[in-house]
Amino acid sequence: DTAVSQTPKYLVTQMGNDKSIKCEQNLGHDTMYWYKQDSKKFLKIMFSYNNKELIINETVPNRFSPKSPDKAHLNLHINSLELGDSAVYFCASSRGGGGNTEAFFGQGTRLTVV
Amino acid sequence: GDSVTQMEGPVTLSEEAFLTINCTYTATGYPSLFWYVQYPGEGLQLLLKATKADDKGSNKGFEATYRKETTSFHLEKGSVQVSDSAVYFCALSDPGGSEKLVFGKGTKLTVNP
Repeated sequence: DTAVSQTPKYLVTQMGNDKSIKCEQNLGHDTMYWYKQDSKKFLKIMFSYNNKELIINETVPNRFSPKSPDKAHLNLHINSLELGDSAVYFCASSRGGGGNTEAFFGQGTRLTVV
Repeated sequence: GDSVTQMEGPVTLSEEAFLTINCTYTATGYPSLFWYVQYPGEGLQLLLKATKADDKGSNKGFEATYRKETTSFHLEKGSVQVSDSAVYFCALSDPGGSEKLVFGKGTKLTVNP
């Protein structure tokens, strides 16, 4: 069983479209995250949720809206896609309760906007 | 804000060579430090971690020691294998803060047979 799974793995779409990426974790973790990895492999946090509550929003454009229906799921919806949104998006989860716990990452979703 | 600086790659080594990837950090508190590895086409996996000064993290022959005096967490391996080819990320997390990971820019390692 995959610990953190995200779908789809690849997403190719046109500028202006709206798309969603789904993430689920079966580890029983309280905290989930979205990270963005750009073309130079640089990773930066976008959002973090703890028990369905938003706790980090790192100056991400409001075209990006995370939604956590329950603590095992954290989806990412992107409106009006732009070329610069092309990247690999990683979902992650951790036990929470302190920053020394391991984060588990999904396989990533490679988003290409054309 | 908190930041991580790691040596830029790419790094190319022959099998059985010694590996060092330098990592230094800037943080206001006492962060936990991590090395994550990303194999081609995969997500990140935790390689090792250290949560306080002078702790040594180790896994799969890799080691790193938390050096508070030099704010460093350099990754070392005595004898690399072709299967170690991957991108390595140094990261920190503030235990008293938001739990987000702050990553370095990653170092791509290629090991040739």
